[in-house]
Amino acid sequence: DAMVIQNPRYQVTQFGKPVTLSCSQTLNHNVMYWYQQKSSQAPKLLFHYYDKDFNNEADTPDNFQSRRPNTSFCFLDIRSPGLGDAAMYLCATRLSSQGLVKAFFGQGTRLTVV
Amino acid sequence: RKEVEQDPGPFNVPEGATVAFNCTYSNSASQSFFWYRQDCRKEPKLLMSVYSSGNEDGRFTAQLNRASQYISLLIRDSKLSDSATYLCVVSRNYGGSQGNLIFGKGTKLSVKP
Repeated sequence: DAMVIQNPRYQVTQFGKPVTLSCSQTLNHNVMYWYQQKSSQAPKLLFHYYDKDFNNEADTPDNFQSRRPNTSFCFLDIRSPGLGDAAMYLCATRLSSQGLVKAFFGQGTRLTVV
Repeated sequence: RKEVEQDPGPFNVPEGATVAFNCTYSNSASQSFFWYRQDCRKEPKLLMSVYSSGNEDGRFTAQLNRASQYISLLIRDSKLSDSATYLCVVSRNYGGSQGNLIFGKGTKLSVKP
């Protein structure tokens, strides 16, 4: 059974129309990450939550926001998607008391902007 | 300079070949190192951790040189099913914890019959 679930798997949104991607986990992991992976590029860390503490990467555009209402759920909000935001968005989780080798990835949401 | 840099690839090899991937990282404080495998349009999956003493898992051998900040992956007796993109991954510390996984761009491997 999938332990990190991303919904939807595929999302098509219009240029400039706000969109939300979701990630849920059944592992009770306290750390959650969002990565953006464009075609033929490395997964790029956007931000992560360590418990309730939100940590933004310095080069993450303001257009990207995140919410974590509880341990199990984390959302990625793109306020005004541009064509350049088309990518695979990956959610990952881990327990901070365990090593990074225990990170779990969701299957990703592939975002298309039209 | 990127935090993690890899061979540009792609590597096209025949079945049974031995292939090696290299990776360098810029953050000398990194403590954990991994190779991930990513199939087309799928999420990355952990292939193996990389230890200072070098480690082997079947046909896969990983090595780490901390002094040179260099990581390698050797695949022996390549199979068609090894075709994928191989991502070099290092940790970036955050606070007192091991922090975050930072990915390289990946090297694409195609194994041909």
